[in-house]
Amino acid sequence: ETGVTQTPRHLVMGMTNKKSLKCEQHLGHNAMYWYKQSAKKPLELMFVYSLEERVENNSVPSRFSPECPNSSHLFLHLHTLQPEDSALYLCASSPSRDNTYEQYFGPGTRLTVT
Amino acid sequence: AQSVTQLDSHVSVSEGTPVLLRCNYSSSYSPSLFWYVQHPNKGLQLLLKYTSAATLVKGINGFEAEFKKSETSFHLTKPSAHMSDAAEYFCVTTGGFKTIFGAGTRLFVKA
Repeated sequence: ETGVTQTPRHLVMGMTNKKSLKCEQHLGHNAMYWYKQSAKKPLELMFVYSLEERVENNSVPSRFSPECPNSSHLFLHLHTLQPEDSALYLCASSPSRDNTYEQYFGPGTRLTVT
Repeated sequence: AQSVTQLDSHVSVSEGTPVLLRCNYSSSYSPSLFWYVQHPNKGLQLLLKYTSAATLVKGINGFEAEFKKSETSFHLTKPSAHMSDAAEYFCVTTGGFKTIFGAGTRLFVKA
């Protein structure tokens, strides 16, 4: 399998549930990203990892907790979410944190919080 | 400060006619500029990128964009629209370690 994969593709969870989103890249990249895409809003960068170290956290609520155990895998742990957290969550990777490189995106996880 | 403005939230064209999606940027750095496309229920895919080489950049699926520093623009064009081009398009600028996405332009293609 090549590129960036995300699982699950769809997730429905209640506000008291705990779930995790998984992202895997098979491109040998050193940087990975989590984005939130809500209807009628620009893409929001949530977290950036470079060489497995978190280098950016854009004021994301603590109910979202990222984890990067190695350069190929990225998780987003979800806990006590709110309905306004319903969105498409996109993972991306790039060869390095240097932004002259393009990012490669996964297909996203469509999250619905009930 | 960096910013990118996509001037149209929606563009509608007929199949076989030219496509123009407009993007203006603002950057303190020598910018890198990208266009991505997103089809429904899919992730974003790179169409093309500009990183201070040739000002006319050719991408996939017949798209191209021209970097015009004097106009701070990076408009995306295609000579002839195809039904499969119907999607959302994002103009992106980067500089330093910041990546800024435009709000997106949804392209509709009529048969």
